[in-house]
Amino acid sequence: AQSVTQLDSHVSVSEGTPVLLRCNYSSSYSPSLFWYVQHPNKGLQLLLKYTSAATLVKGINGFEAEFKKSETSFHLTKPSAHMSDAAEYFCVVSGNEKLTFGTGTRLTIIP
Amino acid sequence: DAGVIQSPRHEVTEMGQEVTLRCKPISGHDYLFWYRQTMMRGLELLIYFNNNVPIDDSGMPEDRFSAKMPNASFSTLKIQPSEPRDSAVYFCASSLMPLEVNEQFFGPGTRLTVL
Repeated sequence: AQSVTQLDSHVSVSEGTPVLLRCNYSSSYSPSLFWYVQHPNKGLQLLLKYTSAATLVKGINGFEAEFKKSETSFHLTKPSAHMSDAAEYFCVVSGNEKLTFGTGTRLTIIP
Repeated sequence: DAGVIQSPRHEVTEMGQEVTLRCKPISGHDYLFWYRQTMMRGLELLIYFNNNVPIDDSGMPEDRFSAKMPNASFSTLKIQPSEPRDSAVYFCASSLMPLEVNEQFFGPGTRLTVL
């Protein structure tokens, strides 16, 4: 069995300040973990993925995430938010031919 | 490659009518997924195929929904009869094997409105 919990449904940050989107997971397997971004009226696009290699994963647009097995977390961060980062973000856990999506976190950037 | 192609992009229909959504996955991808997204329920996986065979259809809401994949380059999602609560954005996505480590590529979605 596996599950994923995005701890915040909505996050607001000022432009130029750090971003933290939180994701916790549970899995009976050695999971792969993904973050996807969805801009308004668009499909989902992969930001980054963890597949049991380096625990710190760098993605597109300056985002990165750290896999912490002891905390069962895969939080998404960015040092400095940009207006174009305003979107919905989904954490996904994958294992044993099954995908589980989080409920999403809407990121708002304040000018 | 053009990416995942979905048609139509927008569909407006009346309650009781049949609706067919279409998807062309990326060439060479082994998996195809159908999702539904609404404000109330968020993103839901409806069904997915591996090498044209349905693997998990536990997310299909009821018998009014059916999906087929007659060949590696085409899939349909059919709703018959449609109801207003089916109004949503429907996404198709495709992926390579193995599923666990490969990303899904999403299409632009079909926005369905049932009046």
